[in-house]
Amino acid sequence: GEDVEQSLFLSVREGDSSVINCTYTDSSSTYLYWYKQEPGAGLQLLTYIFSNMDMKQDQRLTVLLNKKDKHLSLRIADTQTGDSAIYFCAAPGYSSASKIIFGSGTRLSIRP
Amino acid sequence: NAGVTQTPKFQVLKTGQSMTLQCAQDMNHNSMYWYRQDPGMGLRLIYYSASEGTTDKGEVPNGYNVSRLNKREFSLRLESAAPSQTSVYFCASRFGLAGATDTQYFGPGTRLTVL
Repeated sequence: GEDVEQSLFLSVREGDSSVINCTYTDSSSTYLYWYKQEPGAGLQLLTYIFSNMDMKQDQRLTVLLNKKDKHLSLRIADTQTGDSAIYFCAAPGYSSASKIIFGSGTRLSIRP
Repeated sequence: NAGVTQTPKFQVLKTGQSMTLQCAQDMNHNSMYWYRQDPGMGLRLIYYSASEGTTDKGEVPNGYNVSRLNKREFSLRLESAAPSQTSVYFCASRFGLAGATDTQYFGPGTRLTVL
């Protein structure tokens, strides 16, 4: 079946790195996505990775993909209070690329 | 260019009442989606429309109906609301073409409470 799983909570100290993990079961897509949701708002695309890549870096964000283990991670370097949000991993479904399957979301909180 | 708009922003219903959530996009996207978001459950797909004239069930379609009125608009109807449908509802759209830039754009959400 199609499933995307994430841990629900992560707490890090300001200035440290945050690592948010995701596993997925099946995907028809060549791309995998990370979305960010700030309080009271909808989701916004944060970054994505092409499935033939192992790593993608975008400023403070690093995405790692282990396609064999179907494991995706998002690393945020030098975490700031503005990074407090819920982060969603997403992948198009295996049965239909039009279906986008989201994980449960990881709530990132920042300690001073 | 307003992106994806949803109405209403908030709604309180009594059990058994019906209502329609409206969604519109002005980006000429082909695909549109309805999700519900519940604490600890993430986003669950209710229905989607890959292109104008088609609709398909997602993970949790029971108790809902949809209409793809035209390319711009995709509505979600609750015929007989139940407390289990208390949630935040998000509409989203995308071009529906292969490619990383074909990401979903989300509306601001509708917060629905069923008493």
